[in-house]
Amino acid sequence: NAGVTQTPKFRVLKTGQSMTLLCAQDMNHEYMYWYRQDPGMGLRLIHYSVGEGTTAKGEVPDGYNVSRLKKQNFLLGLESAAPSQTSVYFCATAIGGAPADTQYFGPGTRLTVL
Amino acid sequence: DAKTTQPNSMESNEEEPVHLPCNHSTISGTDYIHWYRQLPSQGPEYVIHGLTSNVNNRMASLAIAEDRKSSTLILHRATLRDAAVYYCILRPMIYNQGGKLIFGQGTELSVKP
Repeated sequence: NAGVTQTPKFRVLKTGQSMTLLCAQDMNHEYMYWYRQDPGMGLRLIHYSVGEGTTAKGEVPDGYNVSRLKKQNFLLGLESAAPSQTSVYFCATAIGGAPADTQYFGPGTRLTVL
Repeated sequence: DAKTTQPNSMESNEEEPVHLPCNHSTISGTDYIHWYRQLPSQGPEYVIHGLTSNVNNRMASLAIAEDRKSSTLILHRATLRDAAVYYCILRPMIYNQGGKLIFGQGTELSVKP
């Protein structure tokens, strides 16, 4: 089992370009999350999904859009990249949203916006 | 959301026990205490969680104070691979927030050979 995979691993964009980050999971989990991590800081939640076809905003959603058309995939889009979006992006999944449920994280995508 | 306080950094010697503290004085009665760690250049990974009683698993032990205002993650024999940032996170019994994790700064643990 691959668990949680993220594509691509690295990307450099110019300001104003767009891109989509893909998160894929083979654990049949309902919940999926996108976090970002800036240098020296903890992770912050961007958007999340509690099931196929649903999405919700997290702590820092501005400048991002998401889609969950299939249960196993969660896409994070940047329509017009800005230098402030330079960060490492982590996807996570969970079987549910209960307080005792564990989140499983992908290896991350390192994005630089010039 | 209840807040956690952890030391910024700690050092340990290899093969010795490590006690990582976390203060959470505003914890509510239904908040779960979770610990995750993040190895260099990797995503966070789950370590352990508990509610009221002490917990053990293959990675670590979690000791929870009787008043639940603090907890300690115990690594019984630190190895070089345990060098990571350790996050103490409270998860409330609120189901309409998607089960999000709120990460603080964490404790950066370094392990000396």
